[in-house]
Amino acid sequence: AQTVTQSQPEMSVQEAETVTLSCTYDTSESDYYLFWYKQPPSRQMILVIRQEAYKQQNATENRFSVNFQKAAKSFSLKISDSQLGDAAMYFCAYRAPQGAQKLVFGQGTRLTINP
Amino acid sequence: DSGVTQTPKHLITATGQRVTLRCSPRSGDLSVYWYQQSLDQGLQFLIQYYNGEERAKGNILERFSAQQFPDLHSELNLSSLELGDSALYFCASSVGAGGLNTEAFFGQGTRLTVV
Repeated sequence: AQTVTQSQPEMSVQEAETVTLSCTYDTSESDYYLFWYKQPPSRQMILVIRQEAYKQQNATENRFSVNFQKAAKSFSLKISDSQLGDAAMYFCAYRAPQGAQKLVFGQGTRLTINP
Repeated sequence: DSGVTQTPKHLITATGQRVTLRCSPRSGDLSVYWYQQSLDQGLQFLIQYYNGEERAKGNILERFSAQQFPDLHSELNLSSLELGDSALYFCASSVGAGGLNTEAFFGQGTRLTVV
C-alpha cells in the first residue's frame, strides 16, 4: 500500500522568507500524481500544486514550487516570500494513476508565519 | 468557494445515534469522495461513488454507509455513533473517476461531535 510521510509536524518562518516542507512517499508504481494541499483555519482543503511523476520538470505555481526527486521518492514544497496568509496546515498527498482515485495523505505540517 | 457544498457544517449528537451528512458536488462532476479527518487517524479515504455507483472503498466502518443519488448528490450515513467517530468529514468531487487531470475539489467539511 502507498504511504506518505511528512516528518515535520510544525514549521515556522519569518514573513518574506523562504521555507521548505518535506514529504516522502512509498509506492511501487512508476506513474502517479503528487499534490500539496493547504488547510487554513477555515478548514477548506485547497490544492496548492500538483506534480505528475512522469514529468521531470518540477511544478511551480507563483510563489510555490516543488522539488520532486523520483528516485528518492521525495516531494518537498518550497514557499518563497512567505506571507501571513500562508499560515495553515499543509498536506502532501499521493494518487495512483489508475483504479481507485483516492488520495493518500501525509499527517500534515503546521506552518506558522512570524511577522 | 470550491463549488462543493456540504451540510450541515456542524453536528452534535449522542452516542448510539445515527446521522446523515449531505454533499452536493460541483456542477458537472460525476465522482464524489468521502474523507474523514481525525486527530489520531489523520485524513483517510472512506468511499468513492461515480455516477451513482460505488467505485472504491477505503477504511470505512460497517456502521457507515453512503450512496449517490440520480441528481449526483451524495449522503454519508453514520450509525451507532461512538465517541471515536468525532471528526471532520469531507466530501470532494471531480469530473471523472480517474485519469490525468481529475482534480478533486473539497467541500468545507462537516464537523461531527459525538458526546
